[in-house]
Amino acid sequence: DTEVTQTPKHLVMGMTNKKSLKCEQHMGHRAMYWYKQKAKKPPELMFVYSYEKLSINESVPSRFSPECPNSSLLNLHLHALQPEDSALYLCASSQEIDRAQIYGYTFGSGTRLTVV
Amino acid sequence: AQSVTQLGSHVSVSEGALVLLRCNYSSSVPPYLFWYVQYPNQGLQLLLKYTSAATLVKGINGFEAEFKKSETSFHLTKPSAHMSDAAEYFCAVSDEGDDKIIFGKGTRLHILP
Repeated sequence: DTEVTQTPKHLVMGMTNKKSLKCEQHMGHRAMYWYKQKAKKPPELMFVYSYEKLSINESVPSRFSPECPNSSLLNLHLHALQPEDSALYLCASSQEIDRAQIYGYTFGSGTRLTVV
Repeated sequence: AQSVTQLGSHVSVSEGALVLLRCNYSSSVPPYLFWYVQYPNQGLQLLLKYTSAATLVKGINGFEAEFKKSETSFHLTKPSAHMSDAAEYFCAVSDEGDDKIIFGKGTRLHILP
């Protein structure tokens, strides 16, 4: 299995809703990432997990809450989002943080989130 | 901080013509460099990467890129464009020991019939 699987593919939520995005990989990668991509823009890093511990939080608002319950799973819990949070949310993984440059990142297809 | 500049937010080439997408990096030390492709409503797929092993890097789908230290460039080329190459292309950079990569603003490649 050489894929990063993200679910759901599309999500519409209200500003008072609580929802979660899920990311799964079975490549034995020990680093996992959340990126946010607005339309016609490059991906922006949100969070990095290394060996299930949060390594980087790029000053993301607390309405986004990441969770890494095990080495294969990465969740992004969403609560009280704003319409400007509408974007494509991409998950990625790499063998290890300090090997990411050598082997690159594997990206999922993303979750298209719309906040209404 | 490391950064990459992609020249041209949109590039149009005719089917069968040469594809050239430009990327310049800002660093006095050769970094790790990547090209990713993103098809509509898809995630990013790694095309190729430079990790100092060779200056001419061959990737998937017939793409290649040449690392030129003197020009701080890592341009992406393909000899003959196909309609299926129409997509967004991102150049990205990372430093030794860094745990994140920084993406350029992207170049949308249009293929004309």
